[in-house]
Amino acid sequence: EPEVTQTPSHQVTQMGQEVILRCVPISNHLYFYWYRQILGQKVEFLVSFYNNEISEKSEIFDDQFSVERPDGSNFTLKIRSTKLEDSAMYFCASSVKGANSPLHFGNGTRLTVT
Amino acid sequence: RKEVEQDPGPFNVPEGATVAFNCTYSNSASQSFFWYRQDCRKEPKLLMSVYSSGNEDGRFTAQLNRASQYISLLIRDSKLSDSATYLCVVIFNDYKLSFGAGTTVTVRA
Repeated sequence: EPEVTQTPSHQVTQMGQEVILRCVPISNHLYFYWYRQILGQKVEFLVSFYNNEISEKSEIFDDQFSVERPDGSNFTLKIRSTKLEDSAMYFCASSVKGANSPLHFGNGTRLTVT
Repeated sequence: RKEVEQDPGPFNVPEGATVAFNCTYSNSASQSFFWYRQDCRKEPKLLMSVYSSGNEDGRFTAQLNRASQYISLLIRDSKLSDSATYLCVVIFNDYKLSFGAGTTVTVRA
């Protein structure tokens, strides 16, 4: 069964550094998402991406965050200047027909900011 | 009021028991509803969609009550492997899902 893959599985970075989290969605999916989950807390929506542009973003997704689909397969999340509170598990997800169809999540990238 | 609210639990039940819990949502225009399951430190995985007429998938039954704005999940004949956090997901539009904080279920031998 095709799956969403994320790399790296764990990223440790120093405060103020830039990080790029990478995702390869399922190939025939058209809608892409980033979610995050701070340890012990709920899964939080960050951003959705469709037709090569951001379709919706949350208040968490401020100017420090950006997303890109640089080629036909990768979907990246960049955090320009990481803060301690950015430490979380970041999940990429994709779906065929938008949020009304099941989302397939990647295994996540655990980001630790020190 | 939060968009999606769940009883956090934990629900501690013996094997073979039935456990049920609800999820309330605030936006009456919500379109679709799902239950996801999340194991510790893993990604959420779709358990089942929730249809207006209610639906079953094996030991799992999901119901939707639009008038009272809640969905429910019932697990019959609980197995040890059912121990997980169950996430209620509410769809407002094509681009955004909102997750509840999750209900923790622990099934003991």
